[in-house]
Amino acid sequence: QVQLVQSGAEVKKPGASVKVSCKASGYTFTDYYVHWVRQAPGQGLEWMGFINPKSGGTNYEQKLQGWVTMTMDTSVSTVYMELTLRSDDTAIYYCARDRIGDGYNRMDVWGQGTTVTVSS
Amino acid sequence: EVVLTQSPATLSLSPGERATLSCRASQSVRSNLLAWYQQKPGQAPRLLIYATSSRATGIPDRFSGSGAGTDFTLTISRLDPEDFAVYYCQQYSNPPPRISFGGGTRVEIK
Repeated sequence: QVQLVQSGAEVKKPGASVKVSCKASGYTFTDYYVHWVRQAPGQGLEWMGFINPKSGGTNYEQKLQGWVTMTMDTSVSTVYMELTLRSDDTAIYYCARDRIGDGYNRMDVWGQGTTVTVSS
Repeated sequence: EVVLTQSPATLSLSPGERATLSCRASQSVRSNLLAWYQQKPGQAPRLLIYATSSRATGIPDRFSGSGAGTDFTLTISRLDPEDFAVYYCQQYSNPPPRISFGGGTRVEIK
């Protein structure tokens, strides 16, 4: 079945980097963008950016430019999100797919989420 | 940047009642680029509605979306106990490609 499976929880110190993976299965990897969305404790959803697995192109939320990097490995149908952490980056990080080129924007399959805790 | 404002923040209703959730955008949003999601505690969001009014696969027909321009609405015709959750609207704008979510509406049992 179609699914996105994310890597496990992380605890990091401020200033460190975290790299979260999102492995796709059950569909053609290069047919869908992969977005990253995060949710701080008790808060709403915040879009971080996306990667186009067909081209490798990325677009990041402006305030995260320079802090976040999204990459992929098509050989294992996996997308990665690496973030240099500040104290307010504690959140659940989700990946979600979105079909390329159909004229819509819809995140129709989501990963299970990865909890990243930033603590000194 | 398109800012989405959802209202009310909390909606207290009983099962069987009708729920009407509002999403207002700071500038016009293309109808094919407005979506709604449901999120329950401890779960990832789930796509309900895309392109303003199209139901995602497997979504019951008690969920409907409408609107245009800057004003969009999600309606749940008769609340089922499983519908008590938080609902988010989301838009996509370009160029440059940007996505924003509303702050969410919590639908709680009265």
